[in-house]
Amino acid sequence: KAGVTQTPRYLIKTRGQQVTLSCSPISGHRSVSWYQQTPGQGLQFLFEYFSETQRNKGNFPGRFSGRQFSNSRSEMNVSTLELGDSALYLCASSPGQKEVETQYFGPGTRLLVL
Amino acid sequence: AQKITQTQPGMFVQEKEAVTLDCTYDTSDQSYGLFWYKQPSSGEMIFLIYQGSYDEQNATEGRYSLNFQKARKSANLVISASQLGDSAMYFCAMREGMMNYGGSQGNLIFGKGTKLSVKP
Repeated sequence: KAGVTQTPRYLIKTRGQQVTLSCSPISGHRSVSWYQQTPGQGLQFLFEYFSETQRNKGNFPGRFSGRQFSNSRSEMNVSTLELGDSALYLCASSPGQKEVETQYFGPGTRLLVL
Repeated sequence: AQKITQTQPGMFVQEKEAVTLDCTYDTSDQSYGLFWYKQPSSGEMIFLIYQGSYDEQNATEGRYSLNFQKARKSANLVISASQLGDSAMYFCAMREGMMNYGGSQGNLIFGKGTKLSVKP
């Protein structure tokens, strides 16, 4: 099976702009989660989608949003970018059927905000 | 309080030797999972090994084994016969069961990581 894919891999934006990142999960996986990784804060959970519904959300401002499509692909959007949004954004998928499941990660999108 | 604690920011190991990376966790759930991920400089998070809270045997995956001590709430990763390609950041993570989240699965909670350097 193909792994989790994320596009784009690298992105440079300026403050105030908005950005959309895309994630395609492993075939058959219905749960998609997003994480932000920065040197200062480490890995932090953004949100999780399952069957097109957000079912878990981390402690991030409303500028961070996401959605999931019927084919389980997910997008996350960050509006009004700030310098502190520069980070590696990781997407992870899992089947979404068992109580505790392994999440498999994509290669990430490196976002630089200037 | 931190839920996942990795006390070793960095470690060195000689090639072909074994190394143990420490991880302690904190949860009041009965059902949870413990994971180890490897992150090379490329950034991708690579799944290594999983231990369920109800598993009685320590998990093993090739050169990786997880030393699970439930009473101590520790889940140390042991890498046998280190290779140069093992040089990377290693993250311990926990995923709590569904009960706390109204039916949704808990997100992964990560430690701060241990940077492992393998010396030739």
